[in-house]
Formats: sequence, C-alpha cells, structure tokens
Amino acid sequence: AQKVTQAQTEISVVEKEDVTLDCVYETRDTTYYLFWYKQPPSGELVFLIRRNSFDEQNEISGRYSWNFQKSTSSFNFTITASQVVDSAVYFCALFSSNTGKLIFGQGTTLQVKP
Amino acid sequence: DAGITQSPRHKVTETGTPVTLRCHQTENHRYMYWYRQDPGHGLRLIHYSYGVKDTDKGEVSDGYSVSRSKTEDFLLTLESATSSQTSVYFCAISAPPSAAGVDSYNEQFFGPGTRLTVL
Repeated sequence: AQKVTQAQTEISVVEKEDVTLDCVYETRDTTYYLFWYKQPPSGELVFLIRRNSFDEQNEISGRYSWNFQKSTSSFNFTITASQVVDSAVYFCALFSSNTGKLIFGQGTTLQVKP
Repeated sequence: DAGITQSPRHKVTETGTPVTLRCHQTENHRYMYWYRQDPGHGLRLIHYSYGVKDTDKGEVSDGYSVSRSKTEDFLLTLESATSSQTSVYFCAISAPPSAAGVDSYNEQFFGPGTRLTVL
C-alpha cells in the first residue's frame, strides 16, 4: 500500500527560527517520486520540489532544503531562517509508478510569527 | 504559472441537486485530475484522465462522475450532491512521462480550487 504520513499537524515558530517538516512514506515500488507542495493562505497549491527514488542527493534552494533518506523512507523539508511569508500548509506527496497516482500526506500547517 | 482555470470558484447548493465543476487548461497537457481537499485528509484523488474520453476512478470516486470530450476541459459532476461532498475541489494537470527511455514523471500543476458547500 502507498501511504504518506506527515505526523506534525501544526508547527508554530518565531521568525528567523529554523524549522523541519517531517514526511515519512510507504511504498513497495522501486521507482517512485516524492514531492513537496506549499499552500499559502490564499489557497493555491504551489509545487516546490520533485525527487525520484534513485536520487538521494539532498537539495538546497535558497532557504529551503530537502533531506531524502531511503533507509528511513523519509523526505524531510527544512526552512532556514523562517519568515512570516513561509506561513502555509505544506504537503508531502508520493507518486507511484505502478498506480500512476499521487498520494498526499495530511499536510502540516506552519505558522511563523513575527 | 500553468494556465489552469476552474469554474465556478465558489458554489453553494442544496442536497440532492446536480452540480458540475469545470476545469479548463491552456497547456495542452494530456493528463488531468480532480482532487478534493478536506481537513485531516490532505488531497484525495477523485477521478483522472489520461486523454480525451479516457478516464478512470481515484480513491474517492463514489458519487462523482467525469467527462473529457476535449483536451482542454475536464468536467466533474455530482449527480445528486450530499453534505459529505462539501469540500474544496482542485483540478490538476501534468505532462505524460518523458519519451527519453527513462521512467519519469512530471509534477502536477494545480488550479485555484473550487469551494463547494452543500446544505
């Protein structure tokens, strides 16, 4: 079965703190893709990153970084020096090559206070 | 931004009435999807389409039907709306896997969402 778990329902930090959003997935596929999406208060879904199962290199994009570890089936997302504009719901998702479907986690609501 | 529009953006209806939501894209992508978003569940796939007149069910398809007569439009119909179908509905599009001989998948781009309330 395919499953994505985001155990943190809500996180609240003060601006400039670093924050890590956890994502744990389950799949029996050998080929799969992992994603992070951001949903700001305005409601739209914004694609942040895609990672395939063969590439365990960590990635950094500005204040955002992602840590992919197949050994623990995790794909965690870290925001460094958080800002108020980072306040949003963040979704982790798993694409299964077998089913051709994108499975979402429940989402983590991040609140960054000034 | 990907050219995806959804209409209507907001709708209030009564139980038992039919409702049709429209997703329109200008990207000429083959794949289109309908999701619903509910608290505690993230986004769940209702139906999807891999091309004109080629549709299939997702994990929460009961009570919904879809149609795709043109590449650019994907319609979601609630034949007889129920209060449990109160939700935010998102349409998404993606390009098919690349033809490079390597298994690949492209990210899905989402429309702005439709907030549906069934009283």
